[in-house]
Amino acid sequence: DAGVTQSPTHLIKTRGQQVTLRCSPKSGHDTVSWYQQALGQGPQFIFQYYEEEERQRGNFPDRFSGHQFPNYSSELNVNALLLGDSALYLCASSLGQGAQDTQYFGPGTRLTVL
Amino acid sequence: GQQLNQSPQSMFIQEGEDVSMNCTSSSIFNTWLWYKQEPGEGPVLLIALYKAGELTSNGRLTAQFGITRKDSFLNISASIPSDVGIYFCAGAYNFNKFYFGSGTKLNVKP
Repeated sequence: DAGVTQSPTHLIKTRGQQVTLRCSPKSGHDTVSWYQQALGQGPQFIFQYYEEEERQRGNFPDRFSGHQFPNYSSELNVNALLLGDSALYLCASSLGQGAQDTQYFGPGTRLTVL
Repeated sequence: GQQLNQSPQSMFIQEGEDVSMNCTSSSIFNTWLWYKQEPGEGPVLLIALYKAGELTSNGRLTAQFGITRKDSFLNISASIPSDVGIYFCAGAYNFNKFYFGSGTKLNVKP
């Protein structure tokens, strides 16, 4: 039973570019949440997708957007990258919208913005 | 956003010692979670707490939901080298938006 998978593992971009990160949830899960984890900090909630719609959003600008596909996989898009966007981006999946207390995290995508 | 203060920031202990760490919030939460994160991996849930005053154990780990609903504690007894990692608390008022502390980095000397 595959857990949460994310791709790519690492990514290097330059300021102003756009990036897309991908997440496949754990088998049987239908809800995906995205987090940003800066170095030395705890994860910060970006948004959550359920039934292909954004259901909850943290305090992140519109440059951060996402998508959920019918197979429950999800993408995180970040436009106009800033140096401060360098972080580990974590995807977490759960069953049901109100079940973040039982979510499983993926290993993350390490994004470096130069 | 919510402010979660987690302490200590880091700990260096000898194998066999007990460990305590805590988390305080500026707001009331109705759920507290404790996670462990190892290098190159995402956080893994250790213990979930749902009720003020609740005390829950998971092996050598024990966590408590503070009576004020603004704090939580995690204790690890008889530490072993594989306890090394970063421990995060996370709290929420509902189940959809969790706020994480900045972590306690635990180092265990054999």
